[in-house]
Amino acid sequence: ETGVTQSPTHLIKTRGQQVTLRCSSQSGHNTVSWYQQALGQGPQFIFQYYREEENGRGNFPPRFSGLQFPNYSSELNVNALELDDSALYLCASSLWGQGETQYFGPGTRLLVL
Amino acid sequence: RKEVEQDPGPFNVPEGATVAFNCTYSNSASQSFFWYRQDCRKEPKLLMSVYSSGNEDGRFTAQLNRASQYISLLIRDSKLSDSATYLCVVISLSMNSGYSTLTFGKGTMLLVSP
Repeated sequence: ETGVTQSPTHLIKTRGQQVTLRCSSQSGHNTVSWYQQALGQGPQFIFQYYREEENGRGNFPPRFSGLQFPNYSSELNVNALELDDSALYLCASSLWGQGETQYFGPGTRLLVL
Repeated sequence: RKEVEQDPGPFNVPEGATVAFNCTYSNSASQSFFWYRQDCRKEPKLLMSVYSSGNEDGRFTAQLNRASQYISLLIRDSKLSDSATYLCVVISLSMNSGYSTLTFGKGTMLLVSP
């Protein structure tokens, strides 16, 4: 196992609601990246956090936001949920400067009804 | 054109078969290349790195052709346990902010049958 944990494992929300997903990085890893994987698709980069700041962002709207805490754990927040937000949300931890080697957590499966 | 494109699949092969996965990428500035494996309803896991000189790990061989922007993965003597989705991953480094972005292909599913 990678040592990266995510919670919750599954979540059901309705359109318009807000959701917070959590990720604990592997011990010693200071960088967390979040990905969205829709059914039948590869993971898509949402954003990356380092030193508690967003360091890079993919093509996702501002209603996708995040936080990183001093212990390097991270949250992904999604506001105004849409049906298309239904997906597996993956976080990956790494060391800054070694982003080629990212360790993925088991993911949170979100269903928006 | 998508940044990373893979064969649509699925590939259905018998045990013992040799199967090849193809992947092309559009960003010529991409720096690193990998194959990941993803089992059903699980997270992606690194399978192997891809180099221009080729990379072999047991039954698995990966190859990169930078000129053609093409990546391949060959699995010989397929096992039932090889059944999974194989994801082609291209890594680009942002020079401004220094972060590395993993760009995944859609994945190709492999089903190995007895």
